[in-house]
Amino acid sequence: GAGVSQSPSNKVTEKGKDVELRCDPISGHTALYWYRQSLGQGLEFLIYFQGNSAPDKSGLPSDRFSAERTGGSVSTLTIQRTQQEDSAVYLCASSWGDRGNYGYTFGSGTRLTVV
Amino acid sequence: DAKTTQPPSMDCAEGRAANLPCNHSTISGNEYVYWYRQIHSQGPQYIIHGLKNNETNEMASLIITEDRKSSTLILPHATLRDTAVYYCIVRVGASIQGAQKLVFGQGTRLTINP
Repeated sequence: GAGVSQSPSNKVTEKGKDVELRCDPISGHTALYWYRQSLGQGLEFLIYFQGNSAPDKSGLPSDRFSAERTGGSVSTLTIQRTQQEDSAVYLCASSWGDRGNYGYTFGSGTRLTVV
Repeated sequence: DAKTTQPPSMDCAEGRAANLPCNHSTISGNEYVYWYRQIHSQGPQYIIHGLKNNETNEMASLIITEDRKSSTLILPHATLRDTAVYYCIVRVGASIQGAQKLVFGQGTRLTINP
């Protein structure tokens, strides 16, 4: 597609439930990033995929968070046993990651509310 | 941790040039300066980036000092739609190992006033 697509755009879940957030990057982009942004805060890096390399998971806040990228394209961020502090906007971005110095293109995000 | 320092907020009159400063005194020789902006409730938008030469595109100009310890983003004729949070980020350039993640700081909240 023309841009980075994220789904769902909004998700309300009960504390303790698992959620899956999806990201469709721009076709051909080799790098994919997940960030989250709590209300009124800056962007917090979560995880980064680059081609076939092992992902950089250094930003994942706990082992309840995991992500995968299938076939080098679509990515799913999974949060298990959600907590209220997980409430935030989860943003996905993609770029031409392996050559050049291109900017990221961000999706519109998934607003997660844990009640 | 972000390697940049920006003022938390700025105001600018509509139609005037908005000049947003950024300090990156510990920047390394292979690090680029990137600028993004985030309009309320949207994902961040790429604006411009540079290494050591000044850069210009359809959105903005980027002026990097000769010692590369600071830079200024210039929006030449600000409009109300330019009201946003502007992030200045330094990042190592892409290599055969791939690109590096962007680390966002708190940015500058720019308000364009009519």
